[in-house]
Amino acid sequence: DAGITQSPRHKVTETGTPVTLRCHQTENHRYMYWYRQDPGHGLRLIHYSYGVKDTDKGEVSDGYSVSRSKTEDFLLTLESATSSQTSVYFCAISESGRGRYNEQFFGPGTRLTVL
Amino acid sequence: GQQVMQIPQYQHVQEGEDFTTYCNSSTTLSNIQWYKQRPGGHPVFLIQLVKSGEVKKQKRLTFQFGEAKKNSSLHITATQTTDVGTYFCAGGGGKLIFGQGTELSVKP
Repeated sequence: DAGITQSPRHKVTETGTPVTLRCHQTENHRYMYWYRQDPGHGLRLIHYSYGVKDTDKGEVSDGYSVSRSKTEDFLLTLESATSSQTSVYFCAISESGRGRYNEQFFGPGTRLTVL
Repeated sequence: GQQVMQIPQYQHVQEGEDFTTYCNSSTTLSNIQWYKQRPGGHPVFLIQLVKSGEVKKQKRLTFQFGEAKKNSSLHITATQTTDVGTYFCAGGGGKLIFGQGTELSVKP
């Protein structure tokens, strides 16, 4: 498996609290992604990064923000968690954004429950 | 926006039977990727198809990319219990759009 870790792996929080999930890679890949996975919806892109301090929105970005201050770390923040953000969150990395080397390698996931 | 639809959502087969999942896009895709996710695990990259009409095989798995580059399929011959999991297609150039996945269960 690619060198990708996510922390925490499990978290239970209350509505209205801020939450930050961390993704760390040791592959020196340029692209990093945050997805959420919900039954019946597959994987939906929240935000992605194409370099340090370079980020863009995905299809379900409302209520989420990201930051990437170092190549190896990509943070996902829920400013004020809501029950609709209960989900499994996956981080992924890829060497490039398109073309031959854009296959994505996924981290183990973080299960977040918002009560 | 671009959508990638995948059918069926669930498939239950007897071990030894064949299995096929289909992926359709509302727009032409530059490439299609396939991933497998075991129960409780994370998605794992299987293959990427780029050319119109391309067919690739990995042991008992056969992947096809349609001539119009708007559809794709994954066929598993003679399923085994190790094939259990959810299979996702994902299309696009930059930002991948994932299908909803097909969950395969195999009865021994």
